[in-house]
Amino acid sequence: AQSVTQPDIHITVSEGASLELRCNYSYGATPYLFWYVQSPGQGLQLLLKYFSGDTLVQGIKGFEAEFKRSQSSFNLRKPSVHWSDAAEYFCAVVQGDDKIIFGKGTRLHILP
Amino acid sequence: GAVVSQHPSRVICKSGTSVKIECRSLDFQATTMFWYRQFPKQSLMLMATSNEGSKATYEQGVEKDKFLINHASLTLSTLTVTSAHPEDSSFYICSARDSPTETQYFGPGTRLLVL
Repeated sequence: AQSVTQPDIHITVSEGASLELRCNYSYGATPYLFWYVQSPGQGLQLLLKYFSGDTLVQGIKGFEAEFKRSQSSFNLRKPSVHWSDAAEYFCAVVQGDDKIIFGKGTRLHILP
Repeated sequence: GAVVSQHPSRVICKSGTSVKIECRSLDFQATTMFWYRQFPKQSLMLMATSNEGSKATYEQGVEKDKFLINHASLTLSTLTVTSAHPEDSSFYICSARDSPTETQYFGPGTRLLVL
């Protein structure tokens, strides 16, 4: 069965610092991978997605993610975080029957 | 980009009553919609997959008679929580799959509080 692991439950970074959120998946074939962001009390917003092609994908709000097949990873990065980036981030993979499997999420805290 | 709306955004109801939540894809057609439930500080749990014109497929452990799903058109799916109880209080989120891009877009969620 497919699974998505986000090993960090909480991450705290200072405003202006760089950010990397980790995501590992297990799936036999080439996966469809996504990162979503959820602000408190809100739904989810798609940040970026990877289906095929260039393994470095650019998303909204200055985020990017790199698909590394050898490491089964799809880590999310941002060179300089802003206070408004504080939220919960979910990595997800789509199964063959189109169901999304979510990781448990990483809550990002920003220090002023 | 693709937009999915949910109505209502918040609802408070008495125990034993039924509540209907609507999920609409505003600028694309979605043959498949999904309903999720999210408990506080937890990830999303898929409840059911809703296919236009056919019966929903429920995940293991989800009561189909309690959570009625109807996907009557390519832009609308509804979730009805029947005979709601306090333990049904939760954040319900729907998503709609945009077939050409194979991407799910999520609604803003509906917070249900059952007294």
